[in-house]
This record gives sequence, C-alpha cells and structure tokens, in this order.
Amino acid sequence: QKEVEQNSGPLSVPEGAIASLNCTYSDRVSQSFFWYRQYSGKSPELIMSIYSNGDKEDGRFTAQLNKASQYVSLLIRDSQPSDSATYLCAVRYSGAGSYQLTFGKGTKLSVIP
Amino acid sequence: DTGVSQDPRHKITKRGQNVTFRCDPISEHNRLYWYRQTLGQGPEFLTYFQNEAQLEKSRLLSDRFSAERPKGSFSTLEIQRTEQGDSAMYLCASSSLTSTETQYFGPGTRLLVL
Repeated sequence: QKEVEQNSGPLSVPEGAIASLNCTYSDRVSQSFFWYRQYSGKSPELIMSIYSNGDKEDGRFTAQLNKASQYVSLLIRDSQPSDSATYLCAVRYSGAGSYQLTFGKGTKLSVIP
Repeated sequence: DTGVSQDPRHKITKRGQNVTFRCDPISEHNRLYWYRQTLGQGPEFLTYFQNEAQLEKSRLLSDRFSAERPKGSFSTLEIQRTEQGDSAMYLCASSSLTSTETQYFGPGTRLLVL
C-alpha cells in the first residue's frame, strides 16, 4: 500500500513568517512530487512540482526533496493571510503506464494577520 | 485556454438514482483523470484515460461506476444506483503527453446523495 503522510494541522503562523509543510512517502521508487493548494470548497491548484533531490524555488515558495529520506517539504516565505488553505502533497509512483497521483490528507495552514 | 471544466458543479440526487458528470479537459491534453475527494481526505484516484483508451482503474471504482472518453476529448463519469457513500467531490484533471505529467484540476462536481 503506497502511502503519503502529512500532518493534518492546523498549522498556524503569523503573517510574514515562514510556514513549513512536510510530507513523507512510503515507496522509494517514486519519480514526481507535487504540492497543491486547496481553498475550502474549491479544487486543488498546483503550486510546485519537483523531480530531483534538492531545492526548487518559485517566488515565495520553495520545495525541498530528499529521496534518501523519502521526504518532501514546502516552505512559504513571507506568509500572507491569503495563503491560508489546505496544502496537499501528491506523489506519482513509478510503474509501467501508471500516472495516477497518490495524495496525502493535506495540512491546513492558517496565517494569522 | 479556459482550463479544465466540469458540469454540473453541484448535483443532489436520491439514493438509487443514476447520475452522470462531464469533464472537458484543457485542449490538446491527451490524458484525463478522475478522482474522488471526501471531507478531510486527499483526492483518491478513480480512473485514467490516454486519448480514448481507459488505461488504469482503481479498485475503488465499483461496478456501479463507469467512465468513457469516446472521442478522446471530453469524458463522462456515470454512477448507477447511487448510495449515500457516493457523496463526495468528483474531480477531473488533465495533463499533456509532452509535459512532465503535471495534472491540472477542474472545479469539481459536488455530489450529495440523499
């Protein structure tokens, strides 16, 4: 059973702080990793994708991947109240013809003004 | 390019009725996916098409569920003899063969079975 684990939160941070969201996955042979943001009642919106070990930065967002530790994280710098949402970690496991994403349950982030 | 669209956005039905949802992917996206999401959970994979071929199905997809993508463009998901446990958000996503399989989601169809 392939699993993706996230702390459900809620994670509360003050406005302007760094929010750190973490995700672990069970299958070592995983290829692609994604972070989606989901506002209440809305559908997931892609924030970041990462495929190789190390850091990937996009504006205020940085994704970090450590395949040896089976760990992926998302850092949000200068957090804003508009960042308050549930953040979903998704993993695409390798396998012939398999393109499905396996999601964690999400971490709810609350940015306090 | 208006993104992935889904119709209807909301559906209320009585137990035992059949429902059908439609998904229009981003134009020229070859791959189309259906997921289901219940409250407090992440989306769960249901099925996937590449063009008109249904290539992968989850064990979650019982015999009451059927999906089609007849011309490799839009897709439909039908649920027969709905049950209260089918109440969920049904999400459609699409991706391009030329991309690194990044999936873009539609707004979803929220189903409530009474």
